Formats: sequence, structure tokens, C-alpha cells
Amino acid sequence: AQSVSQHNHHVILSEAASLELGCNYSYGGTVNLFWYVQYPGQHLQLLLKYFSGDPLVKGIKGFEAEFIKSKFSFNLRKPSVQWSDTAEYFCAVKGAAGNKLTFGGGTRVLVKP
Amino acid sequence: KAGVTQTPRYLIKTRGQQVTLSCSPISGHRSVSWYQQTPGQGLQFLFEYFSETQRNKGNFPGRFSGRQFSNSRSEMNVSTLELGDSALYLCASTLLAGGPGAKNIQYFGAGTRLSVL
Repeated sequence: AQSVSQHNHHVILSEAASLELGCNYSYGGTVNLFWYVQYPGQHLQLLLKYFSGDPLVKGIKGFEAEFIKSKFSFNLRKPSVQWSDTAEYFCAVKGAAGNKLTFGGGTRVLVKP
Repeated sequence: KAGVTQTPRYLIKTRGQQVTLSCSPISGHRSVSWYQQTPGQGLQFLFEYFSETQRNKGNFPGRFSGRQFSNSRSEMNVSTLELGDSALYLCASTLLAGGPGAKNIQYFGAGTRLSVL
């Protein structure tokens, strides 16, 4: 069965600091990888996705993620965070079965102004 | 284009009752998936429907069921509610069937927050 692990449950940082959130997955086949964000009181929104090709993918709001196949990782990065990046971030994996997503436990990010 | 619409947004029920939640996918989308979100268990997959057929099912008891109509709208039902069923239930829609090699994106609704007293 596939699983997704996010290393940090909570991250607190100041504006302009750099952010990196770790995500590792366990799955033997071809995967699609996603990062979703849930701002306070809002629904889950797609930040970025990896299907194939260039392992460095760019998403909305200055976020990027790197797929490292040998490490089964898909880490999220942002060079300089803003207060508005305060949210919960979820890494997700889609395997071969339909559209089912397996999510990591989420990382709550608090950006202090 | 309207997003994924879930109704109702909030529900309060008591133990033993049953509940039906509704999801209208994005126009043209044919796949609907349901997820349960709780502080303790995170986001867990319930089931997925495509063309009125259940294609995948997560590890939830049989009290959790769903269906999809010919217009792609979906409902999920929870019978004999337990306190532990209190959660945010999320619906996601996808354009196509998915599977190996499919480059599908799931779009989520705002959810229905169910409180079981």
C-alpha cells in the first residue's frame, strides 16, 4: 500500500525566510505527485504537480518542488515566505488506481510578520 | 466555471442517526472522490466514482456508502453515526477516469463539516 510521510508537523518562521517542507512516499510504481495548500477557512488548492519530465516543477505563488526518484522524495520550497503563506500544506501521491490520492499528514506553517 | 459544490456546509447529528452529503462536480467532470479529514487521521480516501460506478474504496466500514448519478453528481451516506465520524468531508472532482499514466488533477470543494453529538 502506498504511504506518504511529511517530516514536519509544524513550522514557524519569519517573513522573508526560506521554506522547505519534506515529503517522502512509498510506492513501487509510477506516481503522480502533488502539493496542496489549505489556507485558514478555505478549501484545498493545488500548489503544484509532477507528472513526468523535468523533476523541478514550479507552482503558484513562487513555490517549487523537486522530485528525486532515487530518494522517493518530493520536497516543497519557497525562497522567501510572506505572512500570507500561513497555511497547512499537504503532499499527495496518486498511483495507478484511478484518481485516488494518498495524503501525508500535513505541515502547518506559521509565518510571523 | 463553477467549482466543486458541497452541501450542506455544516451538519449536526446525534449518534445513531444517518446523514447524506451531496457533491456537484465541476461541469464536465465525470470522476468524484470523497475524503474524510480529521485532526487525528488527516486526509483519508473514502471512495471514488466514475460514470456511476464505484472504482476505488478506502478502508472504511460499510456504514459509509456513496453513489453517483448520471449527471455526475454524487452523494455519500453514513449510517448509524458514531462520535468518531465527526469530520470534514471533502469531495473532489476530476475530468477523466485516471489510472496509470493519467495526468489528472483533483479539484476540491469546501467540504461539509459534520459534528456528531
